Amino acid sequence: GAGVSQSPSNKVTEKGKDVELRCDPISGHTALYWYRQRLGQGLEFLIYFQGNSAPDKSGLPSDRFSAERTGESVSTLTIQRTQQEDSAVYLCASSLAQTGVNQPQHFGDGTRLSIL
Amino acid sequence: SQQGEEDPQALSIQEGENATMNCSYKTSINNLQWYRQNSGRGLVHLILIRSNEREKHSGRLRVTLDTSKKSSSLLITASRAADTASYFCATDDTGRRALTFGSGTRLQVQP
Repeated sequence: GAGVSQSPSNKVTEKGKDVELRCDPISGHTALYWYRQRLGQGLEFLIYFQGNSAPDKSGLPSDRFSAERTGESVSTLTIQRTQQEDSAVYLCASSLAQTGVNQPQHFGDGTRLSIL
Repeated sequence: SQQGEEDPQALSIQEGENATMNCSYKTSINNLQWYRQNSGRGLVHLILIRSNEREKHSGRLRVTLDTSKKSSSLLITASRAADTASYFCATDDTGRRALTFGSGTRLQVQP
């Protein structure tokens, strides 16, 4: 079946604009994660969704960042009033169950966000 | 510093040689996972080793885990040019839901 799909693959926008990034997880995967990866760096956890439970938002860097997920399907990550420091690749991953029950995560190819 | 620090940061070898990457972490873990990332792509899961395991093999990959030293190593044998990528370790920490990634090792395999 299809893997994790993210759109757009690239986004260039002006500072101060809002952006919305989309993630389609693998069908049947109950857990969904958003990460941020700055150039040459590792992944920084942003937010985690598991089924109908309240999301873990502990990694969101500021209140300009928010994310939603509809049931166990599509998720959108929204960044309001973008800043140049938001420039990064935003990666989405899904897995069969929450971390802690030994399931690997499956990643999309990310959205490369550039703030001018 | 971050949980899951890889060492070395960069490694350049010739095709056919073995590549060894190390990872250190700080907290208790359920498991440790290794991922590969080709330039401009997402991460691909390579191998998962549980906290009660000491060694695991998958094809040309060999992973070890020493929970007493809070360290892991990834060995790629008989490397190929196609192995050129960044390699990340990620810990599945007890009491935390998301994986914690290190900053990665950039491996360059010269043909």
